[in-house]
Amino acid sequence: GQQVMQIPQYQHVQEGEDFTTYCNSSTTLSNIQWYKQRPGGHPVFLIQLVKSGEVKKQKRLTFQFGEAKKNSSLHITATQTTDVGTYFCAVNTGFQKLVFGTGTRLLVSP
Amino acid sequence: DAGVIQSPRHEVTEMGQEVTLRCKPISGHDYLFWYRQTMMRGLELLIYFNNNVPIDDSGMPEDRFSAKMPNASFSTLKIQPSEPRDSAVYFCASSTGQSPTTDTQYFGPGTRLTVL
Repeated sequence: GQQVMQIPQYQHVQEGEDFTTYCNSSTTLSNIQWYKQRPGGHPVFLIQLVKSGEVKKQKRLTFQFGEAKKNSSLHITATQTTDVGTYFCAVNTGFQKLVFGTGTRLLVSP
Repeated sequence: DAGVIQSPRHEVTEMGQEVTLRCKPISGHDYLFWYRQTMMRGLELLIYFNNNVPIDDSGMPEDRFSAKMPNASFSTLKIQPSEPRDSAVYFCASSTGQSPTTDTQYFGPGTRLTVL
């Protein structure tokens, strides 16, 4: 079945540093979603990307969808302690079904 | 709206016992999903429903697992008999199913299951 790899698995940064997580698929994607899960919490939707090369921003977060629609990235500028959590990409495999990536766990030290 | 509601939030049981997890989706959402999250396997889709009908149960690990959705506002995930390897956080999520692409899924708080 569809597999979605994310790198890195884990990153520890100092507050104020930037952070990027990458999501890669072996197949062309129709769209991709990003979710954030705080420690002890549940996944919460952040954004959906649909178009090739699409770039969307949410404050300090920048999301990109690759030109070939096989990869995506999430970049956080000047991390804050509130950014702590695990970031998942999720891809649609038909009929509203999502396959979640392996996730990148972000730890931010003050 | 109260969001997706799951109960219980925590469940500790002994191997061999039956476990029933419950979910109330957001009102008006036509899709309901059951996920399992573990450190080893990540977030896995077990089964999902559309208008109370199971659409894809290929993620259900084995016959010990069963899920039902008797009406639009209630679903259960049952494990019988439970085993220690079933220990995980089980999430329920729902979506409207109205997007031409892929809908946002709204997750419940999860049920943390521990099987001793």
